[in-house]
Amino acid sequence: NAGVTQTPKFQVLKTGQSMTLQCAQDMNHEYMSWYRQDPGMGLRLIHYSVGAGITDQGEVPNGYNVSRSTTEDFPLRLLSAAPSQTSVYFCASSLIGQVGGEQYFGPGTRLTVT
Amino acid sequence: GNSVTQMEGPVTLSEEAFLTINCTYTATGYPSLFWYVQYPGEGLQLLLKATKADDKGSNKGFEATYRKETTSFHLEKGSVQVSDSAVYFCALSDLDTGNQFYFGTGTSLTVIP
Repeated sequence: NAGVTQTPKFQVLKTGQSMTLQCAQDMNHEYMSWYRQDPGMGLRLIHYSVGAGITDQGEVPNGYNVSRSTTEDFPLRLLSAAPSQTSVYFCASSLIGQVGGEQYFGPGTRLTVT
Repeated sequence: GNSVTQMEGPVTLSEEAFLTINCTYTATGYPSLFWYVQYPGEGLQLLLKATKADDKGSNKGFEATYRKETTSFHLEKGSVQVSDSAVYFCALSDLDTGNQFYFGTGTSLTVIP
């Protein structure tokens, strides 16, 4: 049971480049989400999904795209990278409708945009 | 709406000192409350949780009690160790908002020998 996996672990991009951060979970969780973590800002929700084919915006969605074609996978696309997107990105998943259901986190992707 | 406010850091303590990290919340429904811990270079992992008023969550010597009257969920440990050095996040989730999680900004703890 791998839990939540993320690739790559580290990435350096030049301004204007695009890339996809991968996230997968093997727990059959309906809910998946992407956060970014910046010093002093805590975790900020970028996008989330409550099931295959359903996505919605979080607090800071600009510059990012997501899709959810399967229950397992929830990739995050940076369309045209900017230095302001330098951050650590976490993917998380959880069940829906369960009182006290915890959110499981991946190990993170550390992205630097130069 | 839903939100979580937790004590600003960083916090530096000597080994075996008593730890309290304050957390208060605002919620429209009846939330579940969580403490997550993040060790350097890792993702967040669940430390403890509580799902109803007066419940006490506990794990690894840490405790927190769900106080509905004061809308609080303060984290405590009687005797911290160097290995407890990490960032601690208070969070809530609410069935009314589809189990979406709301996190505090995190409190960095450093324990010195």
